[in-house]
Amino acid sequence: EAQVTQNPRYLITVTGKKLTVTCSQNMNHEYMSWYRQDPGLGLRQIYYSMNVEVTDKGDVPEGYKVSRKEKRNFPLILESPSPNQTSLYFCASSFRTGDRSTQYFGPGTRLTVL
Amino acid sequence: KQEVTQIPAALSVPEGENLVLNCSFTDSAIYNLQWFRQDPGKGLTSLLLIQSSQREQTSGRLNASLDKSSGRSTLYIAASQPGDSATYLCAAPDSGGYNKLIFGAGTRLAVHP
Repeated sequence: EAQVTQNPRYLITVTGKKLTVTCSQNMNHEYMSWYRQDPGLGLRQIYYSMNVEVTDKGDVPEGYKVSRKEKRNFPLILESPSPNQTSLYFCASSFRTGDRSTQYFGPGTRLTVL
Repeated sequence: KQEVTQIPAALSVPEGENLVLNCSFTDSAIYNLQWFRQDPGKGLTSLLLIQSSQREQTSGRLNASLDKSSGRSTLYIAASQPGDSATYLCAAPDSGGYNKLIFGAGTRLAVHP
């Protein structure tokens, strides 16, 4: 089954404790990205990757890091989480050529930073 | 920069009604537009992708249209059911960006028996 998986699905942590949210897709997609969803602000892109070892900032990259060492994986790293990073996070993937490409989203990770 | 607006913000209807959800976008140089469904606290499920060369796309009781010249898309839901209750999001590619999606704020739909 074609899918995007994320782990963990739910996480409560404390300020400053480094964490990683994993994302994996099994569709051989070149493009992967991370979004956060906040009430009143909607979905905003954090980082994206056009292919292995190619990453770039989205609209709200501050406080986040990413890496793309393998095509299927695109982890999101919060090196020193703060309460304003409490949010619902989604990973997405698609083929690089956008015109015919449906974007697939993971189930989401609900993060609470105390 | 692309901006996406959805109207109405919320809709409550009795079961069986036919519905129209509206989406407008500012940059009409898009190559596709995607409609998603989101259940409360859940992920995004892709409903329909309309390519710029298409005017309509259908899946079951759902029909989405795209009018690039006017910067509009509509999602038509036929014979609504309580199971259709969810938030419906419209997303268009950002200006100059191939894959980055700009989302509308969504239409929150409640279908009551």
